[in-house]
Amino acid sequence: DAEITQSPRHKITETGRQVTLACHQTWNHNNMFWYRQDLGHGLRLIHYSYGVQDTNKGEVSDGYSVSRSNTEDLPLTLESAASSQTSVYFCASSESPGNVRKAFFGQGTRLTVV
Amino acid sequence: DAKTTQPNSMESNEEEPVHLPCNHSTISGTDYIHWYRQLPSQGPEYVIHGLTSNVNNRMASLAIAEDRKSSTLILHRATLRDAAVYYCIPVDNTDKLIFGTGTRLQVFP
Repeated sequence: DAEITQSPRHKITETGRQVTLACHQTWNHNNMFWYRQDLGHGLRLIHYSYGVQDTNKGEVSDGYSVSRSNTEDLPLTLESAASSQTSVYFCASSESPGNVRKAFFGQGTRLTVV
Repeated sequence: DAKTTQPNSMESNEEEPVHLPCNHSTISGTDYIHWYRQLPSQGPEYVIHGLTSNVNNRMASLAIAEDRKSSTLILHRATLRDAAVYYCIPVDNTDKLIFGTGTRLQVFP
């Protein structure tokens, strides 16, 4: 079955280190999204992509970057991790047009920056 | 992006129907209304979506007001597994899902 997977599921890193979170989907979806969710809050959009070589900034993009070199993967990089980036990160994908299609979410990566 | 207003929390007993309301008075004419839910410690999962007409699927029903400024997600018989945070999200042609704070549904045995 097609799926969307995130790795690692849990990570602890130190302040100032570069961290990359992986997101891989086998749906062949054009749209991919990264969100963060802080304790007790809703999800906030970090970056998104509509296809290969396309990336766009979301609501809370400062300190994060993404690249889309193929359809299946959208890795999220924290250039210099900060304690404020401790959060749970979710990746999602959807087929275009996404307003009439359902999105699929990964199980999340819990990141702790110490 | 259209703004949404949902109750912070709601309660239900098991096997009773649940009506989860959402106000989206700034929705544009072409935005679809999506509902997602997030079970504890999981990623969000799709529930249902619609444009103007009421919609049914195996999980729930979606009732959309005639003026489209509000909608109601209906769970016909709540189970303990339905305890989750439910998000109502107008989705435009940018395909982005912009989450609000949602409604936390508690289901009691």
